[in-house]
Amino acid sequence: NAGVTQTPKFRVLKTGQSMTLLCAQDMNHEYMYWYRQDPGMGLRLIHYSVGEGTTAKGEVPDGYNVSRLKKQNFLLGLESAAPSQTSVYFCASSLEGAGTGELFFGEGSRLTVL
Amino acid sequence: ELKVEQNPLFLSMQEGKNYTIYCNYSTTSDRLYWYRQDPGKSLESLFVLLSNGAVKQEGRLMASLDTKARLSTLHITAAVHDLSATYFCAVDTYNFNKFYFGSGTKLNVKP
Repeated sequence: NAGVTQTPKFRVLKTGQSMTLLCAQDMNHEYMYWYRQDPGMGLRLIHYSVGEGTTAKGEVPDGYNVSRLKKQNFLLGLESAAPSQTSVYFCASSLEGAGTGELFFGEGSRLTVL
Repeated sequence: ELKVEQNPLFLSMQEGKNYTIYCNYSTTSDRLYWYRQDPGKSLESLFVLLSNGAVKQEGRLMASLDTKARLSTLHITAAVHDLSATYFCAVDTYNFNKFYFGSGTKLNVKP
């Protein structure tokens, strides 16, 4: 019962470094999302995908890029990390259309940018 | 842009008491979700409310949805310490299944 798996779970970066977070789901979901969670601000949508090969911007996309080359994987990239990107990142997936739209979340990736 | 507001943001209550968390949202939507998050953990789905008047109950928690008032409530009955967590409501849009979250309500139930 893997569900949604995120790697890595923890990472420390220096300002200006780059990194990629990987999200993998084994539920054959069409929709995948990347959120960031900051204290007192709930979850904010960074980017999302409605299917393989598609991506779209969410509420806070600046400084991030994403790719969905395979249906089961959704990658979040930081090209030049900044301290403002210190956060907990959650990946989620959901069914399309006839499903309830319920989100299934990964365990989260805690990123610190020094 | 859709706004989702929860109140209260913090709630400290004694075991055995009842209380309600409110979730207001700013635009038309028929689907509302409640999630629970324990400290340092991921979000777990509690309720999915898919139509006006929907009511769901699980144990000491009951959620309802009034789409005309754009309001959902999460009612806690006879709280116990194990319910201590942060509760989020989320609303989705018809357009591409985007979800918008409230800021969360941090519930602390004192034994």
